[in-house]
Amino acid sequence: QPVLTQSSSASASLGSSVKLTCTLNGGHTSYTIAWHQQPPGKAPRSLMKVEGSGNYDRGSGVPDRFSGSSSGADRYLTISNLQSEDEGDYYCETWDSESWVFGGGTKLTVL
Amino acid sequence: QLQLQESGPGLVKPSETLSLTCTVSGDPISSTNFYWGWIRQPPGKGLEWIGTFYYSGSTYYNPSLKSRVTISENTSKNQFSLSLSSVTAADTAVYYCARHLYVASRHIDSWGQGTLVTVTS
Repeated sequence: QPVLTQSSSASASLGSSVKLTCTLNGGHTSYTIAWHQQPPGKAPRSLMKVEGSGNYDRGSGVPDRFSGSSSGADRYLTISNLQSEDEGDYYCETWDSESWVFGGGTKLTVL
Repeated sequence: QLQLQESGPGLVKPSETLSLTCTVSGDPISSTNFYWGWIRQPPGKGLEWIGTFYYSGSTYYNPSLKSRVTISENTSKNQFSLSLSSVTAADTAVYYCARHLYVASRHIDSWGQGTLVTVTS
């Protein structure tokens, strides 16, 4: 079964960029993942899927400030021109033939 | 536009069964293009996948919850339901229903707003 590992926290200044990482465990390093954003006190929102090739596909209505990339077992979410509303928790998600799993989440603080 | 709305009791007693319903508008749950699932989030903690079904009859459960969980569907009402038996305080969480893609990916692309269920005597 795949396992996803995320850093617990990250911070960056308003207007800058930040790159969040989600790491797949061995034997699952080619998997596609998805990123979800959860503002404080709100439901998650789907942002994009990121393939092992580095290709990514943003969801409907997601600003192009959000982009994805990959390197080996790592899947990245880059947020450019950080806004205050980008603050919140970010989760990655993946799946295999009969199960889904989430990473532990990264709390992003916009300074 | 797709909407998912969870409903059900906000309080459940220990050892009883938690029952929630997700009402879907904007897409039929009988669509062969999507899976439908439940996810929960204990207060202050991360997301935990509970289970997911596909209209063809396939249902998948988190192994850690499988003995206590049942997901069922009602296509005439375009609803699907979650039943979690023998609850304890550890089952206190916000419960979300969600839609997963089926073609080309399996990730969640839409979430409900969530409903808080507290297990307390």
